[in-house]
Formats: sequence, C-alpha cells, structure tokens
Amino acid sequence: KAGVTQTPRYLIKTRGQQVTLSCSPISGHRSVSWYQQTPGQGLQFLFEYFSETQRNKGNFPGRFSGRQFSNSRSEMNVSTLELGDSALYLCASSIGQVQETQYFGPGTRLLVL
Amino acid sequence: QQQVKQSPQSLIVQKGGISIINCAYENTAFDYFPWYQQFPGKGPALLIAIRPDVSEKKEGRFTISFNKSAKQFSLHIMDSQPGDSATYFCAAVNYGQNFVFGPGTRLSVLP
Repeated sequence: KAGVTQTPRYLIKTRGQQVTLSCSPISGHRSVSWYQQTPGQGLQFLFEYFSETQRNKGNFPGRFSGRQFSNSRSEMNVSTLELGDSALYLCASSIGQVQETQYFGPGTRLLVL
Repeated sequence: QQQVKQSPQSLIVQKGGISIINCAYENTAFDYFPWYQQFPGKGPALLIAIRPDVSEKKEGRFTISFNKSAKQFSLHIMDSQPGDSATYFCAAVNYGQNFVFGPGTRLSVLP
C-alpha cells in the first residue's frame, strides 16, 4: 500500500501570498489531519477532516483553512502568508475518525520570505 | 488539560546504553499513548503504543512503561544504537476527539 503523499515537498513564497498544500491519504483511510511543525513550537494540530467534514480544529488563525474531497484527498490553504508561517506542514491519515494510529506523510516544507 | 509534557528536551547516550524519555499528561480522558520517531527530513513514524490498562509493553529494544495513577509514561530504548538517533515524540489520544503531541526529545547516540 502506498503511504501518505504530500505535494509539493518544498515551497518558497513571499509575505502576503497564499499557498495550497495537498495531501493524499493511504488508500481506505478517511481521516486526514494537518500539523504544523516548527523548531520552537513542535507539532501543532491544525485541523482534522473526516468524510469531507472538519471534525476538529486547532488554535490557528482563520488564514489557515482546509478541505477534504470525496476521495479523502485533502488540501490546506494559508492566505496572506507571514514570515512565521515558515514551517514543515505534515499530513497524517487514519482509517476512521481520530484513531489511535496516524500515518504521516513526509511533509511540505514552506519557506516564507 | 490537553497538554502533554515531555523530558528531557535532548539526550545524549553512548552506544549500548539505555535511553529514557518521560512524558506526563493531565487529562484522564486520554486512552491511548503512542510514541513516534522522526528522522530529519521525514514525517513521524509510529514506534510503539500502549493503552492505560497495561503497565508495560515491549517491542524489541523499545519498552513503554505506564503509570496510570501518576499520569506518566516513558519510553526506554535498550542497547541504544547510532541508528536510533532521531527525535522522539510522545502523544496522548482521546479517541474520537484529538491527538496531542509532546514537544519532542532529540536523541543522539554516540558510536
């Protein structure tokens, strides 16, 4: 079975721009969660989608949004980028709703200049 | 209530030694406690996990010890190897609700 894939792997943007990241979960997995990882803050939960519905949301501003499609693929969008948004964005999938085992993708490294 | 504390922040161990990482939580609703291992440039990967009705779980050189009354759990890596050098995250899961990670421990195993 193919693992969680994320595209693009690397991205450079400038302040004020917007960005869309994509995540394809493991086949058969219906839950997708997004995390922001930075050296200073560790792994911070952004949101979780299950069957196209946002189930949980972390403490991030409204500039961060996401969606999930009927095939379970998910996208997250960050608008009006700030320097502090530079981070590794990780997607994790699990079979059902927040399950015990989450499988992570390799992440998308975003650099905001 | 949702926070998971993890210590130490970094750890240096000689090859063959024992690495010990500790975590503590507050929310008694957590019912699953996984540990993840992350190598540079990679996403975290599940290493081993335990439920609160078990006090210890061992898989190869990796052991989780769980103290429900103290709300603490720890990861022990026996016979640590240079290949174990990575960042380790503990996590606590409230089934169907949320997944909370500790801040991580950077382990370096010296050859």
